[in-house]
Amino acid sequence: SAVISQKPSRDICQRGTSLTIQCQVDSQVTMMFWYRQQPGQSLTLIATANQGSEATYESGFVIDKFPISRPNLTFSTLTVSNMSPEDSSIYLCSVPDESTYNEQFFGPGTRLTVL
Amino acid sequence: QKEVEQNSGPLSVPEGAIASLNCTYSDRVSQSFFWYRQYSGKSPELIMSIYSNGDKEDGRFTAQLNKASQYVSLLIRDSQPSDSATYLCAAPGDYNNNDMRFGAGTRLTVKP
Repeated sequence: SAVISQKPSRDICQRGTSLTIQCQVDSQVTMMFWYRQQPGQSLTLIATANQGSEATYESGFVIDKFPISRPNLTFSTLTVSNMSPEDSSIYLCSVPDESTYNEQFFGPGTRLTVL
Repeated sequence: QKEVEQNSGPLSVPEGAIASLNCTYSDRVSQSFFWYRQYSGKSPELIMSIYSNGDKEDGRFTAQLNKASQYVSLLIRDSQPSDSATYLCAAPGDYNNNDMRFGAGTRLTVKP
């Protein structure tokens, strides 16, 4: 199984600022995913980060608000831009099990609070 | 867009009882289904996967899939307080992608 780390683990930010979340995987993976989990809610896919191409965003999420970088096969960043209190969530990155593509491995998450 | 729906609960059972968690899905083509467990403040972890109609047992956990009814369930036998968590049903989002679509989750509390 992949081991995934995220930085920061949590942050408290002011409205209107931006935060970049880092995701590091211990092995090379083709796809990385970014999810959001709002308080008391399930996980919602924000985008798929593919190395060498632009990220693919899900309905309701746009690149200007959530720019993503994927400079290599083990690393990705998600930026939450121009934050508002509604962006307060846990942000998780995940990677598929590339031997079966059946399981998703999740990072520990970044708990973001926007004041 | 595939939809995965769960009765969000919460569900409370006494220790030693059977906990039954249910999930329905909108896409008749879906071939695989997953149950994730998420403890409070932690990220989800896979506990069961099922691909064929019928039952799949793993220790105290049994997953049941009925593709005709588009229904998947998770039974936890001899429930323990350590089973208290949110259980998320999931299905692959797209055959050309490898993301997961999650249900709303069912919060289970097992009372000693």
